[in-house]
Amino acid sequence: QVQLAESGGGVVQPGGSLRLSCAASGFTFSSYGMNWLRQAPGKGLEWVAFISFDGGNKQYVDSVKGRFTISRDTSMNTLHLQLNSLRPEDTAMYYCAKGPTRSQWLVPFDTWGQGTLVTVSS
Amino acid sequence: DIQMTQSPSSLSASVGDRVTITCQASQDINTYLAWYQQKPGKAPRLLIYGASNLETGVPSRFSGSAFRTDFTFTITSLQPEDIATYYCQQYDLLPITFGQGTRLDIK
Repeated sequence: QVQLAESGGGVVQPGGSLRLSCAASGFTFSSYGMNWLRQAPGKGLEWVAFISFDGGNKQYVDSVKGRFTISRDTSMNTLHLQLNSLRPEDTAMYYCAKGPTRSQWLVPFDTWGQGTLVTVSS
Repeated sequence: DIQMTQSPSSLSASVGDRVTITCQASQDINTYLAWYQQKPGKAPRLLIYGASNLETGVPSRFSGSAFRTDFTFTITSLQPEDIATYYCQQYDLLPITFGQGTRLDIK
């Protein structure tokens, strides 16, 4: 079945970096855009970044522009999120979610991973 | 950015009750509105998309409706397993945005 599995979270100091990964299975990864979302402890959901099926279109929420980079490795069916210049307010559970096909634009998120926790603290 | 104003922020109801949550968009989003259920320690689950379409496998006691920029989510007969936090989400424009969430528990 369709599955997403995040990894790479951990504790990092302010200003540090981390690389998150999301392994996809059960669907044709190269045909779908993908998203990262996050949820701070006890808070609501926030969309973070989107990458198109071919990697040619990348979009970010303003608060992470210039610090986070979304990418994908189609040969490994894996989505990445590079987190640089981390701040305490980036502390959150980070989820990947399946996005639109090549013929769609924005779609609801019908498949989520279980999340990976990023904690930014000194 | 499109603001999604969701209410109430918390709700307590009895098993069998009809429960209603509302969400108002700050501008027209057509019907690009989804509802999610999130249980503690779990990822969100898509329940409703296109404002009123039930995702496959979701019980029919869940429903959604729309009137212009006002959206309503209803549980017709609350069950114990429905205890969760519910979020609305617009996917008409980037950045995709969510409502603040409604925490639902049993009275």
